[in-house]
Amino acid sequence: ETGVTQTPRHLVMGMTNKKSLKCEQHLGHNAMYWYKQSAKKPLELMFVYNFKEQTENNSVPSRFSPECPNSSHLFLHLHTLQPEDSALYLCASSQVLGGASGGQETQYFGPGTRLLVL
Amino acid sequence: AQTVTQSQPEMSVQEAETVTLSCTYDTSESDYYLFWYKQPPSRQMILVIRQEAYKQQNATENRFSVNFQKAAKSFSLKISDSQLGDAAMYFCALASGGSNYKLTFGKGTLLTVNP
Repeated sequence: ETGVTQTPRHLVMGMTNKKSLKCEQHLGHNAMYWYKQSAKKPLELMFVYNFKEQTENNSVPSRFSPECPNSSHLFLHLHTLQPEDSALYLCASSQVLGGASGGQETQYFGPGTRLLVL
Repeated sequence: AQTVTQSQPEMSVQEAETVTLSCTYDTSESDYYLFWYKQPPSRQMILVIRQEAYKQQNATENRFSVNFQKAAKSFSLKISDSQLGDAAMYFCALASGGSNYKLTFGKGTLLTVNP
């Protein structure tokens, strides 16, 4: 496997289900991200993990719970979702540089998980 | 807060022709990065080109080039010799500030390439 992989690619779940999305990066990066992509809206940053520590929670409802056990893996645990949570969920990774400005290296994206909540 | 605006929801171009996609942004930071990403129908987001704000020279990558106007906060993408494979959604993105690994995306421009 190369780059950023995500599983599953498609997921249908009921509002009472619990499921998890998985992301794995094979690029040796130290930061990982979850984004939500809905139709007609810009990509929304959900969570950022930098060196396995969550550094950003962009006012995401608690029914979304991220987990980053190591710098290569990122999960998004889902429970009691709503139909409006149906979207494409994208994972990305990058190498965040040190220094005062924390230089931005390019973020590489996975193919996404298409989620449908019924 | 930082914002990114793409004013063209859709664009079309004839194969082999040139097209320019517009992007304007706003940030109070002096150190920032700008990106163009491409998302084909298969949905894998791919980096097309990036520009560091401190560099005056416009970035180029083969048929893709940008016109970076820092004072005007404009960052347009020019695609030369358009190919059918260029058809995709194109997103402009900005990363700035102390936590400048956070990307802010525009709403995207859907590019159609006509044979």
